[in-house]
Amino acid sequence: DTAVSQTPKYLVTQMGNDKSIKCEQNLGHDTMYWYKQDSKKFLKIMFSYNNKELIINETVPNRFSPKSPDKAHLNLHINSLELGDSAVYFCASSQVVGGDYGYTFGSGTRLTVV
Amino acid sequence: SQQGEEDPQALSIQEGENATMNCSYKTSINNLQWYRQNSGRGLVHLILIRSNEREKHSGRLRVTLDTSKKSSSLLITASRAADTASYFCATDATIYGNKLVFGAGTILRVKS
Repeated sequence: DTAVSQTPKYLVTQMGNDKSIKCEQNLGHDTMYWYKQDSKKFLKIMFSYNNKELIINETVPNRFSPKSPDKAHLNLHINSLELGDSAVYFCASSQVVGGDYGYTFGSGTRLTVV
Repeated sequence: SQQGEEDPQALSIQEGENATMNCSYKTSINNLQWYRQNSGRGLVHLILIRSNEREKHSGRLRVTLDTSKKSSSLLITASRAADTASYFCATDATIYGNKLVFGAGTILRVKS
């Protein structure tokens, strides 16, 4: 059983399109995150939800909108995609808020905007 | 801004040798964690060391933490080709709120 699963694994789309990435965790964790990894492998947090409540919203364009229907799911919707959005997006979860325990990561969604 | 800086950026060794990676950070931390990322995969949590700990072991992994120098090292002993991956340190610091901040990573290549 995959602990944190993301779909799709690959996403190729044209500029201006709207797309969504889905994430689900079956670990019973309270907190979920979205991280963006750029071409230099630098990981930067985008959002975090704790029990469906948004607790971290970094400086991210408002074209990016997270949604958490329940604590096991955190989806990421991106409007009006731009070339600079091309990256690998990782979902992660942790038992509680913060870094007191390790994070469990999904396998990533490679987004390519053409 | 980036909290952790790994050193070296890339490391290439022969199978059986030890690999040492270093991480320096800027602020007081609650804990520091090391993760491995195989090519095209997600990050895997390896080990967590708390600010009041100096050394921790897990299998072939040994992590040290020097809070006075704001640095940590990850030692992988008797490396294997399967250890080829990128290794990231991540810090949990109160000043950064409820999130882990990752360094830029060290690319380790173990040649067989």
